[in-house]
Amino acid sequence: AQSVAQPEDQVKVAEGNPLTVKCTYSVSGNPYLFWYVQYPNRGLQFLLKYITGDNLVKGSYGFEAEFNKSQTSFHLKKPSALVSDSALYFCAVRGLNTGFQKLVFGTGTRLLVSP
Amino acid sequence: DTEVTQTPKHLVMGMTNKKSLKCEQHMGHRAMYWYKQKAKKPPELMFVYSYEKLSINESVPSRFSPECPNSSLLNLHLHALQPEDSALYLCASSQVTAEKLFFGSGTQLSVL
Repeated sequence: AQSVAQPEDQVKVAEGNPLTVKCTYSVSGNPYLFWYVQYPNRGLQFLLKYITGDNLVKGSYGFEAEFNKSQTSFHLKKPSALVSDSALYFCAVRGLNTGFQKLVFGTGTRLLVSP
Repeated sequence: DTEVTQTPKHLVMGMTNKKSLKCEQHMGHRAMYWYKQKAKKPPELMFVYSYEKLSINESVPSRFSPECPNSSLLNLHLHALQPEDSALYLCASSQVTAEKLFFGSGTQLSVL
């Protein structure tokens, strides 16, 4: 079965510093990977996706993610964090075959950016 | 318009009540989804509709009954729920390729 793991419940960084939110995956076949962000009392917002191509994927709000096949990782990064980036971040993987419309989410990582 | 609108935002119901959650989108998406999210947990897929037909049912109890009356609307009918069904219910839509989902803000449901 397709799955993703987010090893950190919480990540704290100071504003202006680079941030990394970690995600590792376990899939059959080629992975379709995603990052979504959830602000308090809101639904999820799409940040970026990896389907094929360049290992460095650029997304919304200055975020990017690096796909690493040998380490089965898909870490989310941003060069300079903002206080407004504080939110809950979910890594997700798409299901296989007839279940391709099913997104399986990781447990989430809460990002706290201090002023 | 890139918005998915869910109503109501909050709902409190008793275990014998019947209620419905509504979801609407006008992005021309032909795939629509219901997800359930418990506090401090990731969203879990419940149902997927493609071209107004139910394509995925994640073994959801029959007290949850989805309906897709047209390509813009998605309903979730609730009947005889249990307190453990209290959660945030999220609707989403996408192209049928499901490469980017647009989520609504959700309905916070409390079952007493």
